[in-house]
Amino acid sequence: AQKITQTQPGMFVQEKEAVTLDCTYDTSDPSYGLFWYKQPSSGEMIFLIYQGSYDQQNATEGRYSLNFQKARKSANLVISASQLGDSAMYFCAMREGGTGNQFYFGTGTSLTVIP
Amino acid sequence: EAEVAQSPRYKITEKSQAVAFWCDPISGHATLYWYRQILGQGPELLVQFQDESVVDDSQLPKDRFSAERLKGVDSTLKIQPAELGDSAMYLCASSLYRAQPQHFGDGTRLSIL
Repeated sequence: AQKITQTQPGMFVQEKEAVTLDCTYDTSDPSYGLFWYKQPSSGEMIFLIYQGSYDQQNATEGRYSLNFQKARKSANLVISASQLGDSAMYFCAMREGGTGNQFYFGTGTSLTVIP
Repeated sequence: EAEVAQSPRYKITEKSQAVAFWCDPISGHATLYWYRQILGQGPELLVQFQDESVVDDSQLPKDRFSAERLKGVDSTLKIQPAELGDSAMYLCASSLYRAQPQHFGDGTRLSIL
């Protein structure tokens, strides 16, 4: 089974609107961490936001927030007030295990912001 | 420009040749990772170092790939001999310790002819 599933290969959003990128994960480990990364066409992976499995509140970082639903094993990224510079690939990732030995990425979602 | 330094940025070589990639992590970061990212896919972890020790290399094709981090700082990933299927982006990342978010370099784009 896939550890990280991103079901949206491509998404479009109007500038200044909000968009949600979906991510579901699969683990039986009680301790894990969830990450979102942005990869522009230049190739560098840019860390956006982190959610730990024991965190009680959803993580937020500026215009990024993580909608963490533990029972459903989903960790959706919400980008508010989209900007043209948000156009990129977005990857959901999971660190499995307390010591972080296993790290998995999803297949990514390509986001295009339309002016 | 990324804080994690990688070189070269691009590498074109013929199959059966040897190729090496270099990575210098963020100063003080104990954990270093090498990933392979095939076009259109997410990164796949190849090897993970804690200081100079390998903590996970279960996905590293050890018959042709090797990685080292001799002094626990910079690292080298080598492929010998290179095969056509090795064409990909090779990403290096580092983190302060294993559970922390990883910071990535710009990557090395490898093309095998």
